[in-house]
Amino acid sequence: ILNVEQSPQSLHVQEGDSTNFTCSFPSSNFYALHWYRWETAKSPEALFVMTLNGDEKKKGRISATLNTKEGYSYLYIKGSQPEDSATYLCAFKGANNLFFGTGTRLTVIP
Amino acid sequence: NAGVTQTPKFQVLKTGQSMTLQCAQDMNHEYMSWYRQDPGMGLRLIHYSVGAGITDQGEVPNGYNVSRSTTEDFPLRLLSAAPSQTSVYFCASSRRQGFTTDTQYFGPGTRLTVL
Repeated sequence: ILNVEQSPQSLHVQEGDSTNFTCSFPSSNFYALHWYRWETAKSPEALFVMTLNGDEKKKGRISATLNTKEGYSYLYIKGSQPEDSATYLCAFKGANNLFFGTGTRLTVIP
Repeated sequence: NAGVTQTPKFQVLKTGQSMTLQCAQDMNHEYMSWYRQDPGMGLRLIHYSVGAGITDQGEVPNGYNVSRSTTEDFPLRLLSAAPSQTSVYFCASSRRQGFTTDTQYFGPGTRLTVL
């Protein structure tokens, strides 16, 4: 069982604010780091898969960075919108399976 | 493509009853898995399968059974339901288990309550 930690647990921001949150994971035996977006009453949907130290991924206003040497990834949202309200999960890919963090619940206030 | 489907959406059981949660995918994915999601905890892996006829235990397998007779279907059986199994259950699939960049596709979830 691997320890994947996300912080903060929850976050409230005003519409238009930029925000970021953190995923920490073991720095050894790294295969990949996944980010998922999980809206209430829906299923998690993949945002990014990151494999290389220094990787940066971007999808619209959302971007992510990866530091495998120190074991962390940041997810950034620029100019948050109410539709960005969701729980953002990261998952560490071990040899066989994914190990999920508990998520950061983001609420964007109009 | 329907993607990953799960039935039922909701279920209430009494302690000691057994039932099967159904999961099917139409994407010809090799890898399928079952997770449970409890408040304050991340998705925890119950069982997984890397192909038809092959299953293995995840992090929290006790009280659950799986089989994989076809590529498409991966049912989860609760042998004798306990209140501790009250949870939301998600089935997921991905193209291949060994490739790090394959993302998982999740079903809509089954909310199970055991009284």
